[in-house]
Amino acid sequence: GENVEQHPSTLSVQEGDSAVIKCTYSDSASNYFPWYKQELGKRPQLIIDIRSNVGEKKDQRIAVTLNKTAKHFSLHITETQPEDSAVYFCAASKGSGGGADGLTFGKGTHLIIQP
Amino acid sequence: KAGVTQTPRYLIKTRGQQVTLSCSPISGHRSVSWYQQTPGQGLQFLFEYFSETQRNKGNFPGRFSGRQFSNSRSEMNVSTLELGDSALYLCASSYEGRGEMYFGAGTRLSVL
Repeated sequence: GENVEQHPSTLSVQEGDSAVIKCTYSDSASNYFPWYKQELGKRPQLIIDIRSNVGEKKDQRIAVTLNKTAKHFSLHITETQPEDSAVYFCAASKGSGGGADGLTFGKGTHLIIQP
Repeated sequence: KAGVTQTPRYLIKTRGQQVTLSCSPISGHRSVSWYQQTPGQGLQFLFEYFSETQRNKGNFPGRFSGRQFSNSRSEMNVSTLELGDSALYLCASSYEGRGEMYFGAGTRLSVL
């Protein structure tokens, strides 16, 4: 089955700096890659996603890049703010969506924004 | 539009008991997926239901089962509870299992 590796497990950056979280996947058939943000005690929230027919997607301070050949994708957060502090999960699935084929999640990255 | 609703939010059970968790998806969403979240294993896929049928299943023992009703609400059942079943159980809904998936707040199950 699919295996998703996520690095780093903890990332501490100064407020205003950029943060990058990287994930690799094993199944070349995977074609949907969402990123979720989970604040302490709260539900995971979808922040951005990308499909295999696109190499990059941007939404304000957040961007995701996908390299299908290397089977890795990354989350980029620019101009980090205190409210960006949370655990971020990457995921992959084969069904062009999150539901039907199940998402395989990475272990998560605890992002800490230092004031 | 109401989000995904899970009940109850917290449950305490003892080993050997069984438990039923409930999930109401976003209105119009017909796909409901269930995930187990633990500090050690992270988020793991349990199963997905669509139009009252289980479409896909993760690698969990048969003690974990579920069902979906005609109104898309879903229930998950765990029988013969073990200590290792203590976790946050999250359900998520999507329109047809394709595209964006939205999570509920979860049910935190503690098995003593």
